[in-house]
Amino acid sequence: GAGVSQSPRYKVTKRGQDVALRCDPISGHVSLYWYRQALGQGPEFLTYFNYEAQQDKSGLPNDRFSAERPEGSISTLTIQRTEQRDSAMYRCASSLEGGKAFFGQGTRLTVV
Amino acid sequence: QKEVEQDPGPLSVPEGAIVSLNCTYSNSAFQYFMWYRQYSRKGPELLMYTYSSGNKEDGRFTAQVDKSSKYISLFIRDSQPSDSATYLCAMRVGGAQKLVFGQGTRLTINP
Repeated sequence: GAGVSQSPRYKVTKRGQDVALRCDPISGHVSLYWYRQALGQGPEFLTYFNYEAQQDKSGLPNDRFSAERPEGSISTLTIQRTEQRDSAMYRCASSLEGGKAFFGQGTRLTVV
Repeated sequence: QKEVEQDPGPLSVPEGAIVSLNCTYSNSAFQYFMWYRQYSRKGPELLMYTYSSGNKEDGRFTAQVDKSSKYISLFIRDSQPSDSATYLCAMRVGGAQKLVFGQGTRLTINP
């Protein structure tokens, strides 16, 4: 596609439920990133993939958060047993290897 | 203390003014410096990308990096109402992919 595509755009879930957020990067981009952005703040790094390899997951807040990119293209960020503090905008970005990162529109997650 | 500090504003200036946006940082290992523009309800859009110290100009935008002072700036000349957005600085260490962002400065250009 022309840009980074994320789905769903909005997700409301009940506390304790699991959610899966999807990212479809720009075609040909081998690097993929997940960030979380709170209102009025800059994006905060979660994890990074190069092709299918998860090379940095230092930003994942705890073991309820996981991400995968099994075929080196589409990625899924999964949050298990969601809590209200997980509510935020989750943004995906992609780039050519080591290049400039382009962001998607994000998924607004609300945990009620 | 945050690794990257950015005044959140808001900053309001008249159309045609020169705008100066700044960030300071504490990690001397940062080598790549970026400015993103984020319109309301949109994702960040890359504006400027610079490596190490120096200036880079692109149209009405100029990015400056002073590594000795750990200070970066974005200047917008002949500002337009369409420049109204939140401006985020971001930076990373060479060899790493993790971007560290500032809080963002909310800018309004008044017609």
